[in-house]
Amino acid sequence: DQQVKQNSPSLSVQEGRISILNCDYTNSMFDYFLWYKKYPAEGPTFLISISSIKDKNEDGRFTVFLNKSAKHLSLHIVPSQPGDSAVYFCAASARNSGNTPLVFGKGTRLSVIA
Amino acid sequence: ETGVTQSPTHLIKTRGQQVTLRCSSQSGHNTVSWYQQALGQGPQFIFQYYREEENGRGNFPPRFSGLQFPNYSSELNVNALELDDSALYLCASSPGGAAGDTEAFFGQGTRLTVV
Repeated sequence: DQQVKQNSPSLSVQEGRISILNCDYTNSMFDYFLWYKKYPAEGPTFLISISSIKDKNEDGRFTVFLNKSAKHLSLHIVPSQPGDSAVYFCAASARNSGNTPLVFGKGTRLSVIA
Repeated sequence: ETGVTQSPTHLIKTRGQQVTLRCSSQSGHNTVSWYQQALGQGPQFIFQYYREEENGRGNFPPRFSGLQFPNYSSELNVNALELDDSALYLCASSPGGAAGDTEAFFGQGTRLTVV
């Protein structure tokens, strides 16, 4: 059973527009959420995170929204740029329960078209 | 550049063989985790080492084992390779403590193909 789900395998967006990537989770113990970006032949690179005590975290063009009641988070990229084309992974951790590993979704491949 | 390096980058092995993958963590990082990313999937936690002791394990059989050394290097060993072991293996290095892998940096991975 998948505890972290990214239901859209791919997303195509025009340059300059908003990209919205979605993620759902099932485990109520998760209290920390992260987004990673991955290019081919590279490891995942940390992008942005959010603790469950917040509902929004912003870093430049990237904003993550968390809806705890719906067990849903989303990553907004505004404006989207061709260099944002990559696979984006949502990950969750039960950080307050101790040193727990990351649980990843399957990823969403974002293509930003110039 | 994460300061975490893995070797080799690619490897082809035959079913039934054994393989050792290596990771060099960031200096000062006491914790290393290994993840397996199969094609079309997200990374899955294999195990974690903290100060040379196993500190947690995911749903992987005992033929997956590891070692961590005092010089911030570590190894992932897989015995009796199966075709389904073909995947990208990622090493994640972190300073340790309660934040765990939420503060980890990933290496570029080793692509293992079992034929």
